[in-house]
Amino acid sequence: LAKTTQPISMDSYEGQEVNITCSHNNIATNDYITWYQQFPSQGPRFIIQGYKTKVTNEVASLFIPADRKSSTLSLPRVSLSDTAVYYCLVGSRMDSSYKLIFGSGTRLLVRP
Amino acid sequence: EAQVTQNPRYLITVTGKKLTVTCSQNMNHEYMSWYRQDPGLGLRQIYYSMNVEVTDKGDVPEGYKVSRKEKRNFPLILESPSPNQTSLYFCASSSPTLSNTEAFFGQGTRLTVV
Repeated sequence: LAKTTQPISMDSYEGQEVNITCSHNNIATNDYITWYQQFPSQGPRFIIQGYKTKVTNEVASLFIPADRKSSTLSLPRVSLSDTAVYYCLVGSRMDSSYKLIFGSGTRLLVRP
Repeated sequence: EAQVTQNPRYLITVTGKKLTVTCSQNMNHEYMSWYRQDPGLGLRQIYYSMNVEVTDKGDVPEGYKVSRKEKRNFPLILESPSPNQTSLYFCASSSPTLSNTEAFFGQGTRLTVV
């Protein structure tokens, strides 16, 4: 499974757009990129998954450049409730289903 | 409602006293797994199961046992708990047939071994 690197922490203010970038230089051809969100003392929650270009759902967008060596999770107009740890995971679709490898994640703090 | 249910949510026990943490999912998922989360060490996989009667070790299996006799249940067994197993535990389930293979996590079990 490819190793990922994310910023340890980020600060933002309510209403701003937040972009969290994840580096995965050793991503394999069949690897997918998945992001999870975790609130304190709760289980991680799936946010979004993508393979290339751009994926958007009701919660976030995921931007993946052509070389796929990095990806950016974009949270539009964050609120206080978006304060959480965000994890970037990279692995094959099968591995991403049952053998999740969590790194340190990015601790996002949204201020009023 | 689709969910993964763990019990108990909180447990304090003494060293050496066998305990079981239950996990049940109502989504008919094939895959289930257990993780522990510790400050500074993040989430680490203990065991996983790809189907009934099929289990395999994750990254930190020592001191734990699991069983998968039914598709919906995946209990975590600590035969002789020790203080270093004090942690926050999460059960997860997923299905390889889903288009996005997302994993669903339980609410967590906070275990303290004294």
